[in-house]
Amino acid sequence: DAKTTQPPSMDCAEGRAANLPCNHSTISGNEYVYWYRQIHSQGPQYIIHGLKNNETNEMASLIITEDRKSSTLILPHATLRDTAVYYCIVRVWGAQKLVFGQGTRLTINP
Amino acid sequence: SAVISQKPSRDICQRGTSLTIQCQVDSQVTMMFWYRQQPGQSLTLIATANQGSEATYESGFVIDKFPISRPNLTFSTLTVSNMSPEDSSIYLCSVWGGMGDTQYFGPGTRLTVL
Repeated sequence: DAKTTQPPSMDCAEGRAANLPCNHSTISGNEYVYWYRQIHSQGPQYIIHGLKNNETNEMASLIITEDRKSSTLILPHATLRDTAVYYCIVRVWGAQKLVFGQGTRLTINP
Repeated sequence: SAVISQKPSRDICQRGTSLTIQCQVDSQVTMMFWYRQQPGQSLTLIATANQGSEATYESGFVIDKFPISRPNLTFSTLTVSNMSPEDSSIYLCSVWGGMGDTQYFGPGTRLTVL
């Protein structure tokens, strides 16, 4: 699986959009981009995934660049409950493992 | 989605003892995964457990230290054997659900070894 690079930490004001970047420059054509988050002391929570098109669900939007070498997770109106570690993961479709990197620790400030 | 429960949610154990962690899923799944998360670190996959066969361990993890049982399609156990303080971690159970494209995690078992 391709490696991902994320900033170790970010801050965002409550009510603003939180934009979390992820670099996956070695991604191959059959690899999907997944985002999970882990709120303190809880199990990771699935957020969203995509292949090449932008995706949106009730939690977030995923913007993948045309060359697929990077992506951005957008939390449109961040709340204090969105404070968590966010993991960007690249996974080959059908592969059983998810390989977690160090993630981005996002802090939402009041 | 898949709903996963784990027991115990936390425990404090003495070195040299063993602890068995249970994972229960609300639907039948082929594979179950066990992860470890050491303090301040990311998740590391310990092993993959298939029903009816031996678990497959990742590099750095061995069956004698982390024996796994998978008696049916909704249940698995992970035992942490002969514990030392370095085993203090959160242990997480996980399965694939949905259309096979989403991995779900249990709430974790927080283990402290004194």
